[in-house]
Amino acid sequence: EAQVTQNPRYLITVTGKKLTVTCSQNMNHEYMSWYRQDPGLGLRQIYYSMNVEVTDKGDVPEGYKVSRKEKRNFPLILESPSPNQTSLYFCASSLSRGTNYGYTFGSGTRLTVV
Amino acid sequence: AQKITQTQPGMFVQEKEAVTLDCTYDTSDPSYGLFWYKQPSSGEMIFLIYQGSYDQQNATEGRYSLNFQKARKSANLVISASQLGDSAMYFCAMREPKRDDKIIFGKGTRLHILP
Repeated sequence: EAQVTQNPRYLITVTGKKLTVTCSQNMNHEYMSWYRQDPGLGLRQIYYSMNVEVTDKGDVPEGYKVSRKEKRNFPLILESPSPNQTSLYFCASSLSRGTNYGYTFGSGTRLTVV
Repeated sequence: AQKITQTQPGMFVQEKEAVTLDCTYDTSDPSYGLFWYKQPSSGEMIFLIYQGSYDQQNATEGRYSLNFQKARKSANLVISASQLGDSAMYFCAMREPKRDDKIIFGKGTRLHILP
């Protein structure tokens, strides 16, 4: 089944404890992206990647890191999480760049930082 | 300025009625794509329908259709014969040929279907 797999679904952690949210897609998609969703603010892009070893900041990159060593994987790293990073996170991928390509989303990761 | 505007934060509709969810967008690019996504209470994002800026006909996917009015920059989602399972948050979104090539989302409309 074609999908984007995100783990974990739920995570509660403490301030400052490094964590990684994994994202993997099996569709050979070039473009991958991380979003966070917050009430009243909608979905905002954190980082994106056009292809392997090509990543760039989105609208809200502070406090996050990413890497794209393989085409299928695009992990999101929080080196020192803070409570303001409590949010619902989505990994998404699309076949390529282009206005006619939509995203396939992962199931989301609900992160709580205490 | 918002690129995607959804003016209805919430809607209540009787089951089996048709529903129109409003969306207006702002772009100066002649080429763009418009999307609608559904987010049920479980949280996942489900793709519903796509409309390209050069498409001559309105997109349809089963009970979903997109009322595309290019001159008005409007891309309303129409759900025919609504069902209880249609209760969810609905997001209108746009992809422009920009450097970051991202999809921009509206704030969403929460739809409640009443039995």
